Amino acid sequence: AQSVAQPEDQVNVAEGNPLTVKCTYSVSGNPYLFWYVQYPNRGLQFLLKYITGDNLVKGSYGFEAEFNKSQTSFHLKKPSALVSDSALYFCAVRVLDSNYQLIWGAGTKLIIKP
Amino acid sequence: DGGITQSPKYLFRKEGQNVTLSCEQNLNHDAMYWYRQDPGQGLRLIYYSQIVNDFQKGDIAEGYSVSREKKESFPLTVTSAQKNPTAFYLCASTYRWGQDNNQPQHFGDGTRLSIL
Repeated sequence: AQSVAQPEDQVNVAEGNPLTVKCTYSVSGNPYLFWYVQYPNRGLQFLLKYITGDNLVKGSYGFEAEFNKSQTSFHLKKPSALVSDSALYFCAVRVLDSNYQLIWGAGTKLIIKP
Repeated sequence: DGGITQSPKYLFRKEGQNVTLSCEQNLNHDAMYWYRQDPGQGLRLIYYSQIVNDFQKGDIAEGYSVSREKKESFPLTVTSAQKNPTAFYLCASTYRWGQDNNQPQHFGDGTRLSIL
């Protein structure tokens, strides 16, 4: 079965330190990969995507993600965390079959401590 | 500004009652989606629509119904057959459906449905 895994339910980082939120996937073919962020009682906001090309993609709010085909991973990173980065982060993969649906990870709660 | 508007923000349902959640977009997007979000489970697809007057069941369509009479609108009805409707419901849209659609989904701010 095709799936997306976010192995950490919660990640705690001190403000100013680098952060990583992990995502791995298991799908057939070449997927499109996305990261979204959700603040409490709000909808999801798009951060960045990987379609093709350079494995390091840059997105909103200083976030970036590295696509690793051999490890089937798409980890979200930021060099220096802000308290305002505290939120719920979702990884999603669009499967390029006849359905073209997004498969979602379960989400990772990121907590940045001052 | 273009976007997706969901209403109401909070909704309460009584036993045996059907309730309808509104979703309106002014992004001129063809495709629209309804998701259910429960804690620790990510997003689960309820229904989706590729184009006006067409919609398809997602992974958890039982107890829900939708319509797509206008491009801008994709209301979701939670029927009395849905025995556990308490959740956060999110509506989303994309420019179009298909293999070459690499655009992200745009989301509304959700409706939180609770049982009285």
